[in-house]
Amino acid sequence: QKEVEQNSGPLSVPEGAIASLNCTYSDRGSQSFFWYRQYSGKSPELIMFIYSNGDKEDGRFTAQLNKASQYVSLLIRDSQPSDSATYLCAVRGSSNTGKLIFGQGTTLQVKP
Amino acid sequence: DTEVTQTPKHLVMGMTNKKSLKCEQHMGHRAMYWYKQKAKKPPELMFVYSYEKLSINESVPSRFSPECPNSSLLNLHLHALQPEDSALYLCASSGTGTSINYGYTFGSGTRLTVV
Repeated sequence: QKEVEQNSGPLSVPEGAIASLNCTYSDRGSQSFFWYRQYSGKSPELIMFIYSNGDKEDGRFTAQLNKASQYVSLLIRDSQPSDSATYLCAVRGSSNTGKLIFGQGTTLQVKP
Repeated sequence: DTEVTQTPKHLVMGMTNKKSLKCEQHMGHRAMYWYKQKAKKPPELMFVYSYEKLSINESVPSRFSPECPNSSLLNLHLHALQPEDSALYLCASSGTGTSINYGYTFGSGTRLTVV
């Protein structure tokens, strides 16, 4: 079992729809969770982090965390073509080394 | 200043060359990282420096040699690389300590091609 798992996609949604990206992790002691957006040929950009169970909203983005189910998700409301990118889920585990473990990434395509 | 600056942006080197990648941050972060990323794959951790000391080496071949001269600078020295080492090399920095929400800030990366 991979430490952090994501569906690689592509996930295709029409413009204006809600995109839902999912991530599961294996280390039950994981402390904090991050979503990075990466455009083709560019470096990852941090868009959300969450460390408490529940929802965290920032503009069109909502991160959801359920530690009991070891599940974290990212919702993008009113999806725009400019949201088309690869979304990387990253988890800081229980080892306190600062190391982030990345999932494989989900490619999102928002069609006009 | 919230940037991590990497130079050069692109590098082409022969298998017998020696080159260095440079990374600089002025955010006061005391942890710095080198990642390698191949196309359509996630970033893969290579090295972690914490307070200028190497704390993690993910079994990286010795042809990659990291160096942290001070708290703002991180270098990656390259020697006798193989074509399969061609990738995007990413530097990142982060806070340290007990704060649990310190994500990484990535630099723009160095696109390395080994010929």
